[in-house]
Amino acid sequence: QKEVEQDPGPLSVPEGAIVSLNCTYSNSAFQYFMWYRQYSRKGPELLMYTYSSGNKEDGRFTAQVDKSSKYISLFIRDSQPSDSATYLCAMTGSGNTGKLIFGQGTTLQVKP
Amino acid sequence: AAGVIQSPRHLIKEKRETATLKCYPIPRHDTVYWYQQGPGQDPQFLISFYEKMQSDKGSIPDRFSAQQFSDYHSELNMSSLELGDSALYFCASSLGLNNEQFFGPGTRLTVL
Repeated sequence: QKEVEQDPGPLSVPEGAIVSLNCTYSNSAFQYFMWYRQYSRKGPELLMYTYSSGNKEDGRFTAQVDKSSKYISLFIRDSQPSDSATYLCAMTGSGNTGKLIFGQGTTLQVKP
Repeated sequence: AAGVIQSPRHLIKEKRETATLKCYPIPRHDTVYWYQQGPGQDPQFLISFYEKMQSDKGSIPDRFSAQQFSDYHSELNMSSLELGDSALYFCASSLGLNNEQFFGPGTRLTVL
């Protein structure tokens, strides 16, 4: 079993929908959580970085962390076709070296 | 804003040849991470450096070596290349450990 589990999808939604992406993890030592967006054959782009339980909002994106349940989420409001990409959750903190452990990634398609 | 620079962007090598990938972190970033991403897979951690010292090592073959230089750029050296080494190789940089990691555009290595 992977340390970080993420539903690979694919997830298809209409433009303007609210998207919910989720990851669960098993290692309670993880303390820092990130969400990346990756377009095909491009480098992952950092969307959100959080380190405490609760919500963090940035524009159309909201990251949610529940350390007690070992569960993180990313919400995308007013989704756009340009949001169509693979979304990767990543986390670190175990061993204090910054090494990221990624989920499998969720492929999102936003249809016009 | 300046981003992580990787060179070359594309590299084609024959089996048993040697390849050198270069990474130039965001200015003032002191930590560099290398990741390997196979087709349809999430990035896998290879090795990292903090202040020019190796900080962690993942599933990196003994055929691979890396270092971080005095100007904080890093090089990943890959010898005796195998077909299975064909992948996207990403470098990421951060200011200190466990902070936001920003990824470069990647080097696409093809081994024939």
